[in-house]
Amino acid sequence: DTAVSQTPKYLVTQMGNDKSIKCEQNLGHDTMYWYKQDSKKFLKIMFSYNNKELIINETVPNRFSPKSPDKAHLNLHINSLELGDSAVYFCASSQAGGVETQYFGPGTRLLVL
Amino acid sequence: RKEVEQDPGPFNVPEGATVAFNCTYSNSASQSFFWYRQDCRKEPKLLMSVYSSGNEDGRFTAQLNRASQYISLLIRDSKLSDSATYLCVVPPNSGNTPLVFGKGTRLSVIA
Repeated sequence: DTAVSQTPKYLVTQMGNDKSIKCEQNLGHDTMYWYKQDSKKFLKIMFSYNNKELIINETVPNRFSPKSPDKAHLNLHINSLELGDSAVYFCASSQAGGVETQYFGPGTRLLVL
Repeated sequence: RKEVEQDPGPFNVPEGATVAFNCTYSNSASQSFFWYRQDCRKEPKLLMSVYSSGNEDGRFTAQLNRASQYISLLIRDSKLSDSATYLCVVPPNSGNTPLVFGKGTRLSVIA
């Protein structure tokens, strides 16, 4: 009965490959997010979707493309992976955007070789 | 002033000690704040919300000083299990701007 789940948990891949990370939440929340946490542990928002619509798109290379097939899922596809993409990617959800508590998934540890 | 600024630590304290972290923020219009806790190799989890002058939950007390634009987290009678990184979070003023996470303060409680 995991609230926010992500797959895969670990991802090791070569530069130039394309990969996807999936996220699902069973909390009935309207808003979902993708965060990137780099080696310095700084947690930075990448995208936010509210009810399948993109509402926040921070300065992220267009190699990153989020997709929300329904409000319980927010997937992240990354094209042409680069070394600098190595990080932990966290999915999160909240009842609404803004001041609501966010619930995070366990993270996907991406290593680009 | 940076949007959210925290002392990165690490704070190394013995069990039973009292420790306090501060977090300064730049947006004077911010109304509410959060402290999240992140264990090593785990996801962040909400620890406390701070809406007015402060909040207390057991050994944890969060205080807000609007005049000086900082929030603090006080942990009394530290336990080994309190070892983690504590993230200060400032929500946006509108729904279409993101939460701002501080870089976190690392706490190690030593036996």
